This record gives sequence, C-alpha cells and structure tokens, in this order.
Amino acid sequence: KAGVTQTPRYLIKTRGQQVTLSCSPISGHRSVSWYQQTPGQGLQFLFEYFSETQRNKGNFPGRFSGRQFSNSRSEMNVSTLELGDSALYLCASSFLLAGGPRNEQYFGPGTRLTVT
Amino acid sequence: GDSVTQMEGPVTLSEEAFLTINCTYTATGYPSLFWYVQYPGEGLQLLLKATKADDKGSNKGFEATYRKETTSFHLEKGSVQVSDSAVYFCALSKDKFYFGSGTKLNVKP
Repeated sequence: KAGVTQTPRYLIKTRGQQVTLSCSPISGHRSVSWYQQTPGQGLQFLFEYFSETQRNKGNFPGRFSGRQFSNSRSEMNVSTLELGDSALYLCASSFLLAGGPRNEQYFGPGTRLTVT
Repeated sequence: GDSVTQMEGPVTLSEEAFLTINCTYTATGYPSLFWYVQYPGEGLQLLLKATKADDKGSNKGFEATYRKETTSFHLEKGSVQVSDSAVYFCALSKDKFYFGSGTKLNVKP
C-alpha cells in the first residue's frame, strides 16, 4: 500500500506570495491532518479534515486554509507569505470512522517551504 | 487541556548504552499513546503505540508501557545503535493528536 505523498517536496517563495501544498493520503484513509514544524516551535497542529469537512483547527491565522476533496486528497494554502512561514509542512492521514476511536497517524515526507 | 511533556534533549549516548526518554501526559479519560521517530529530512514514523492502561508497545527493540497511575509512557531501549540517532516524539490522541516537543538522540560509535 502506498504511503502518504506530498507535493512538492521543496518550495521557495517570496514574501507576499501565496502557496498551495498537496497531500494524498493512504488509500482508505479519510482523515488528513496538517502540521507545521519549525526548530523553534516544534510540531504545531494546523487543521484536520475528515470527509471533506474541517474537523479540528489549530491556532493559526486565517492566512492558513485547507480543503479536502471527495477522494480524500487535501490541499493547504498559505496566502500573503511571511518570512516566519518558512517551515516543514507535514501531512498525516489516518483511518477514522465517524464516532470511532482515533487510530495512529501516518506521515508524509513533508514539504520544505522557504520564504525569502 | 490535554498535553504531552517529554524530556529536553539532546540526549547523547554511546553505542550499546541503555536509553530512556521520559514522557508524561495530561488528559482526561483514556487516550491512546504513541511514540514517533523522525530521521533527518524525513517525516515522522510510527514507532509504537499503546491503547489502554498497562499495555506495552514494542518495536525494533524499543518499548514503552502505558502507566495510568503515573500518567507516563517512557520510551526505553536496552542497547542503542548509531542508526537510532533521530528525534523522538511522544503523542497522545483524543479529539486530535497532541505531540510533545521532541527529544533528539545522538548515539556515538
């Protein structure tokens, strides 16, 4: 079974631009979560989508948004990029039944975003 | 609120030394507990898990026991190798995942 894939793996953008990152979960997984990882702040939860609906949201400004498609693939978008948005963005998927217990998450390799 | 606290790193050990990375959690109810490992340039990989009190998760020589009385899930390995050098994250799951800050392990030959 293929793992979680993320594209692109590396990205360089300029301050003020916007960026879209993509995540394809493991087949059969309907829950997709996004995290931002930086040396200073560690692993920060952005949001989670399940069956095309945002299920949980972290404490990030509205410039960070996401969506999930009917095939469970997910995208996250960051508008008006700031230097502080430079980070590794990780996507994780899990098999989750509505109302069921939360199973382990499987992570992709991440997208390294550099904002100059 | 729910949270995970793990020991600060880096932890530096010689090859074949015994490893303990401490992890304690705060949560109501009965969360599931996990250890993840991250190698340089990669995403997190699930190392082991435990879903109820007194469960022991184990994988690749690593072990952790879910201790509800002490709200702990310490990671142990009897003999570390250079290839174990990585960052280790403790996590719990309830309404969402809560991760610790990560502990970097350096193993010297």
